[in-house]
Amino acid sequence: QKEVEQNSGPLSVPEGAIASLNCTYSDRGSQSFFWYRQYSGKSPELIMSIYSNGDKEDGRFTAQLNKASQYVSLLIRDSQPSDSATYLCAVTLPETASKLTFGTGTRLQVTL
Amino acid sequence: GAVVSQHPSRVICKSGTSVKIECRSLDFQATTMFWYRQFPKQSLMLMATSNEGSKATYEQGVEKDKFLINHASLTLSTLTVTSAHPEDSSFYICSALGQGARQPQHFGDGTRLSIL
Repeated sequence: QKEVEQNSGPLSVPEGAIASLNCTYSDRGSQSFFWYRQYSGKSPELIMSIYSNGDKEDGRFTAQLNKASQYVSLLIRDSQPSDSATYLCAVTLPETASKLTFGTGTRLQVTL
Repeated sequence: GAVVSQHPSRVICKSGTSVKIECRSLDFQATTMFWYRQFPKQSLMLMATSNEGSKATYEQGVEKDKFLINHASLTLSTLTVTSAHPEDSSFYICSALGQGARQPQHFGDGTRLSIL
């Protein structure tokens, strides 16, 4: 079982819609959770971090964490074509401190 | 804030050449930096963890004599790919970890290495 799992997509949503990206993790002791956006040929860019159960909102982005279900999601409201990218979920595992374990990413396509 | 500069952005060189990549944290001190490699259509794979003033910790399967890492200051880490071969062609990305608890990693822009 992979430590961090994401659907590879592509996830296609129309412009203006809500995009919902999901991620599950296997280690119940995972402590920190991050969403990174990666455009093709570019390096990852931090979008959101979340550390405790519940929702965290930042502009059009909302991260949701449910530790009981070992599930973290990213909602993008009012999706724009510029949001088209691969979204990487990353977690820190208890035994490896600050090291990030990445999912394989979900490719999002926002269509006009 | 939290800007990480990586240089060069692209390298094309002949097989057998050694290539040095620099990673700098511009506006914060980073006691820990990470080096990743990413092949096309794959996720990032951690190569090594670089700690200021000490030897790097390499992930399983990464040759430490081939990928030399130096972290001589709180703002600079370097990765040298020694005697590079075509199979070393990849996208190399560094990240820097801010000081304090629960700090995220901030990534450099990456270096695309092509070995002919």
